[in-house]
Amino acid sequence: DTGVSQNPRHKITKRGQNVTFRCDPISEHNRLYWYRQTLGQGPEFLTYFQNEAQLEKSRLLSDRFSAERPKGSFSTLEIQRTEQGDSAMYLCASSLAVGSSGSGREQFFGPGTRLTVL
Amino acid sequence: GDSVTQMEGPVTLSEEAFLTINCTYTATGYPSLFWYVQYPGEGLQLLLKATKADDKGSNKGFEATYRKETTSFHLEKGSVQVSDSAVYFCAPQGNAGGTSYGKLTFGQGTILTVHP
Repeated sequence: DTGVSQNPRHKITKRGQNVTFRCDPISEHNRLYWYRQTLGQGPEFLTYFQNEAQLEKSRLLSDRFSAERPKGSFSTLEIQRTEQGDSAMYLCASSLAVGSSGSGREQFFGPGTRLTVL
Repeated sequence: GDSVTQMEGPVTLSEEAFLTINCTYTATGYPSLFWYVQYPGEGLQLLLKATKADDKGSNKGFEATYRKETTSFHLEKGSVQVSDSAVYFCAPQGNAGGTSYGKLTFGQGTILTVHP
């Protein structure tokens, strides 16, 4: 399977603990996006990378959240000192952008990591 | 930033009925427009897209036309099937002329249930 993969698929943690999620995009894709989806809502943008550079971060991404894409391939999203409000599905997507434009390019989504904070 | 107003659901139809799911958006610049679908137990996948005014995106019998003058991108299907039961999301994508460059802004989703 050459689609976007995410690990783990499910994570249950206690409030105050740190968690880290991993996303492996489609191999030739240079753009990688993180979204968060809560029950009954559409996904909300968190951040995105072009290659290894993090180009945009949402105001939703508090200081407790950090994302990396060290070699322009896989990415990690870490949440420190988790809170119950962090419980959500965390989605990763990737796309292939040619030049400086990314518009019109389909984003391919992974299955998501469901986080439950007790 | 960009925003989307999507027809509230849930929508329940009988097989072979006509479907319309309304979507209007606000965006700076000239966004591309997408419909994504999430089938039960599956991840988000692209249904169709349109990248410029008056373009019609189509796939699996679904259609949507980019209406710049009304900032709308309504989804239609002439005859729905039970297998179309899913959650549908409208999503503009910012471009270089806007402030939301590259990312998708999703509506809240419309749950569609089709009965035999």
